[in-house]
Amino acid sequence: GEEVAQTPKHLVRGEGQKAKLYCAPIKGHSYVFWYQQVLKNEFKFLISFQNENVFDETGMPKERFSAKCLPNSPCSLEIQATKLEDSAVYFCASSQTGARETQYFGPGTRLLVL
Amino acid sequence: RKEVEQDPGPFNVPEGATVAFNCTYSNSASQSFFWYRQDCRKEPKLLMSVYSSGNEDGRFTAQLNRASQYISLLIRDSKLSDSATYLCVVNYSNDYKLSFGAGTTVTVRA
Repeated sequence: GEEVAQTPKHLVRGEGQKAKLYCAPIKGHSYVFWYQQVLKNEFKFLISFQNENVFDETGMPKERFSAKCLPNSPCSLEIQATKLEDSAVYFCASSQTGARETQYFGPGTRLLVL
Repeated sequence: RKEVEQDPGPFNVPEGATVAFNCTYSNSASQSFFWYRQDCRKEPKLLMSVYSSGNEDGRFTAQLNRASQYISLLIRDSKLSDSATYLCVVNYSNDYKLSFGAGTTVTVRA
């Protein structure tokens, strides 16, 4: 598609429940990035993919967060056993080649953990 | 120290005014620089890339000073629709991830 698509728009989970977010990058883009935006506009990089391969996972809290980009499927970000502090907007972005390229953002998934 | 720092504002300006603000970045290996705008926690949208020579896009002018490690954005003839949070974004070519400032809030009033 011409835009980055993210589903769902909103997600509410109780503490300890699982949350799974999806992202379809722009067609032809090789790189996918996940960012977490908490209060006061702080963006945190989580993970990036080059096609199906993890490119950089230095931002991932590995104990509970996992992500995948499989062929012919939307990319996914999964949080096992959500915590209150996971409440945030999760943005997915894609770019054509990665290096110095503009990243285009999806509309985000608003996760609220109660 | 944060990688990218911005004056959070808010900058409250009347329509037609000029507003300018800066951001500083700490990593001298930074390679690419951008201004994104974000409206009401929607997705960030690219406003403009920032080049070493400085660049202009309509009413918006961006400057990069590598020696002092700061980037600026100037908005001329402000419109009500310019009200938004402006995010200073920096990219290091080795890992492609973006580092964001906390944003500068601009409110243009009639």
